[in-house]
Parts: sequence; structure tokens; C-alpha cells
Amino acid sequence: DTAVSQTPKYLVTQMGNDKSIKCEQNLGHDTMYWYKQDSKKFLKIMFSYNNKELIINETVPNRFSPKSPDKAHLNLHINSLELGDSAVYFCASSQWGSNQPQHFGDGTRLSIL
Amino acid sequence: AQKITQTQPGMFVQEKEAVTLDCTYDTSDQSYGLFWYKQPSSGEMIFLIYQGSYDEQNATEGRYSLNFQKARKSANLVISASQLGDSAMYFCAMRGTASGSRLTFGEGTQLTVNP
Repeated sequence: DTAVSQTPKYLVTQMGNDKSIKCEQNLGHDTMYWYKQDSKKFLKIMFSYNNKELIINETVPNRFSPKSPDKAHLNLHINSLELGDSAVYFCASSQWGSNQPQHFGDGTRLSIL
Repeated sequence: AQKITQTQPGMFVQEKEAVTLDCTYDTSDQSYGLFWYKQPSSGEMIFLIYQGSYDEQNATEGRYSLNFQKARKSANLVISASQLGDSAMYFCAMRGTASGSRLTFGEGTQLTVNP
């Protein structure tokens, strides 16, 4: 039983294209996140949604647009992909509150040619 | 603002020995949580252990324990009886009540367990 699942696992595409990554969680959590892990393995928050409401929007280019159709889903759409967007993108979920661990999906490795 | 510092880019340990991975943090939040995650070479992020800022006892989960020293702002992970499967990247992370729900991560420590 996959708790947080994201698709696709790998995404190879050309510069300038538009792509989406989907995420779903079956843990009943009310908060979902997108993190970016760069080539040096550093993880940084991009967005967070609580009960479908955007609560964190870091200084991410507006080419990145998250969408949460319901509490169990958080998708990430990226327009006009650039070389610097190459990274691993992780979806995560948790219950709101600082003592709750975030559960991560397996990541989507995005490679821009 | 929150900051997590992991000063050991790489650590080596012999199988069956214990190892301590260092983590120091900085925050203005009064209430916060500290987490450790493991990322094996396959890439997934695995939650290991949690310590709350008001917890008086150090957290333990199987072979993992967290050496929490609040005054020193440190939250070191201790792995006892290392196994080859413990070879991975380990991340310390923090989440504070005033920072939304985000996790702030350290740069990670690459642990290698030698046979």
C-alpha cells in the first residue's frame, strides 16, 4: 500500500516544454508539500497546501504552479522548462502540527535536455 | 528564520559499531520539532525519528536514538550496531510552529558502513 505516490518517477524532456508531476496520498493527511532536491542533495520547500489552501509559496519562479484539487492530491505543473529545473522533486504529506513527521513520495527525477 | 547545520559531509563506520551524526539548529520558535530522515541510494526519503522541543526524554526508535541537548541546540542521531544497509545519506530537519509547516533541512551526512 503506497502512502504517498507520485508520477512519473522519471521525466526527461526538452528545454521549453511544459510538464506536470502528480502526487496522491492515502494517509488521510490534511497538508501536502513539494520539495526540490538539487544536484548537491540539498532539499528545499517549494509549496505547501493545507486543506487545499496554499500556505507556503517560497521564492519559486511563477513557471511553477501547484494545484490541489482535493486534500489527497497535489500536482505540480512547470511551464517553459529550463536547464536549471533539472532536479529531484519530492511530494510529501503530514497532519498539520509540528510534531507530525512528513511522509515522502519516492521522488520524480526531472532531466532537461 | 530556521537553520540546520550538519558539519560532517561524510562519515565512515565499521559494521556493528555505533556512530553519531551531528546536527545543530537555530530557531527563534519556542516550540519546534526535530526530525531525522534517511535517503538510501535508491532515492526515497525514510522518516527515522522525531524529537519535540518540550520532550524531556531523548527519543529512541529501535537502533536509532536522538541525543537532544536543548541548551546547545543540538540533536545528534546515534545509530547503534551499524549494519551495511545503514549506508545512506542522513538528513536532519526542523519544523517550527511559526514557520508554517515546512521542514528546513540540513545539507546531509553521507554514512558509509564498512564490512
